[in-house]
Amino acid sequence: QQQVKQSPQSLIVQKGGISIINCAYENTAFDYFPWYQQFPGKGPALLIAIRPDVSEKKEGRFTISFNKSAKQFSLHIMDSQPGDSATYFCAARTMGSSSASKIIFGSGTRLSIRP
Amino acid sequence: GAGVSQSPSNKVTEKGKDVELRCDPISGHTALYWYRQSLGQGLEFLIYFQGNSAPDKSGLPSDRFSAERTGGSVSTLTIQRTQQEDSAVYLCASSLPLTDTQYFGPGTRLTVL
Repeated sequence: QQQVKQSPQSLIVQKGGISIINCAYENTAFDYFPWYQQFPGKGPALLIAIRPDVSEKKEGRFTISFNKSAKQFSLHIMDSQPGDSATYFCAARTMGSSSASKIIFGSGTRLSIRP
Repeated sequence: GAGVSQSPSNKVTEKGKDVELRCDPISGHTALYWYRQSLGQGLEFLIYFQGNSAPDKSGLPSDRFSAERTGGSVSTLTIQRTQQEDSAVYLCASSLPLTDTQYFGPGTRLTVL
């Protein structure tokens, strides 16, 4: 019930295309859904996040779509660029016993943008 | 300002040896997390510390793994009697209390021969 399932495992998109990564969860207690971006040799960094009271959040070329009833959310990267090539992790937060954010990560999607 | 730092960046050890991995969180961040990332895999939660509260150790894979946080700042993850399956990148993250964003360090790549 604590899992966050992510797909696809890898994705190749042409430059200028739309990259779409999907995630699903079971635990309805999750209250915050971030996406992290990781470049090789670096730690993950927060990219964009959404709360379940909204269905969509857009920041520049990055959009999260959230379907609360289906318990699914997705990341859309518009006009994908070679610099977007990275591994993307969806995640979901549940508050820990000591009021800290315990984040459950998906398995990651390796995105490659072809020039 | 300075981000989360981890040391060493790389560690090669022999099977059966003990290793210590260090994490320096961002100043003022009371929450600290350790994750393990195996090659091509996602992030596996290991342990987190929040202020003076008892740590959540629910993710530690075996009793060979332990972690401590001294003075509410620096944390050390210790792996005793290392095994080849312990080879992975160990990531540390910190955050401000009651906030959502975790800031990750660059990780320590552990290789057990």
